[in-house]
Amino acid sequence: NAGVMQNPRHLVRRRGQEARLRCSPMKGHSHVYWYRQLPEEGLKFMVYLQKENIIDESGMPKERFSAEFPKEGPSILRIQQVVRGDSAAYFCASSPGLAGGPYEQYFGPGTRLTVT
Amino acid sequence: GNSVTQMEGPVTLSEEAFLTINCTYTATGYPSLFWYVQYPGEGLQLLLKATKADDKGSNKGFEATYRKETTSFHLEKGSVQVSDSAVYFCALSGYTGANSKLTFGKGITLSVRP
Repeated sequence: NAGVMQNPRHLVRRRGQEARLRCSPMKGHSHVYWYRQLPEEGLKFMVYLQKENIIDESGMPKERFSAEFPKEGPSILRIQQVVRGDSAAYFCASSPGLAGGPYEQYFGPGTRLTVT
Repeated sequence: GNSVTQMEGPVTLSEEAFLTINCTYTATGYPSLFWYVQYPGEGLQLLLKATKADDKGSNKGFEATYRKETTSFHLEKGSVQVSDSAVYFCALSGYTGANSKLTFGKGITLSVRP
């Protein structure tokens, strides 16, 4: 059973370009979380999604960042017009999301974004 | 809001030494508590968890007890190995819905020398 998959593992973008990060949850998991790890800091929650629905985006910057989890296909975290401060490791986690939680969140290997 | 505070690092120990990593939390209600481990270049792996007061989580020789009275979840291991070198994160979450997101401490780097 494949774990959480993220791609690309490393992404380099110039300032002003767009970054698209993909996350495929574990089989049978319908809930996805995105976290960001800035240098020398812990992980910070960004957004929580179910299929076709954003549950909590309280950790997302108000501008340039968006996320989706369509009915088919991976979850996408999109960063428009990237700036140097967006350089970080972005982790996706998935869980079954069934009633009677809490359920363990399983993490992907992360995408390391570098903005030059 | 919720928060997690971990002791400052890094920590360097000799093999077979005793390990304690302190973690305290602030939360409304009754959160679940977790320790995650991150090896270099990898994602996070759940090390252990506890879902209610006085529960003890354990895995691979590591233990942590959910202490509601002191709002703590300290991680311990009696004899560390070189392979335990990694970054350790304490975290908490609520049960369902928007409360299920994880709140992490800053993490602490453990280095174990032979």
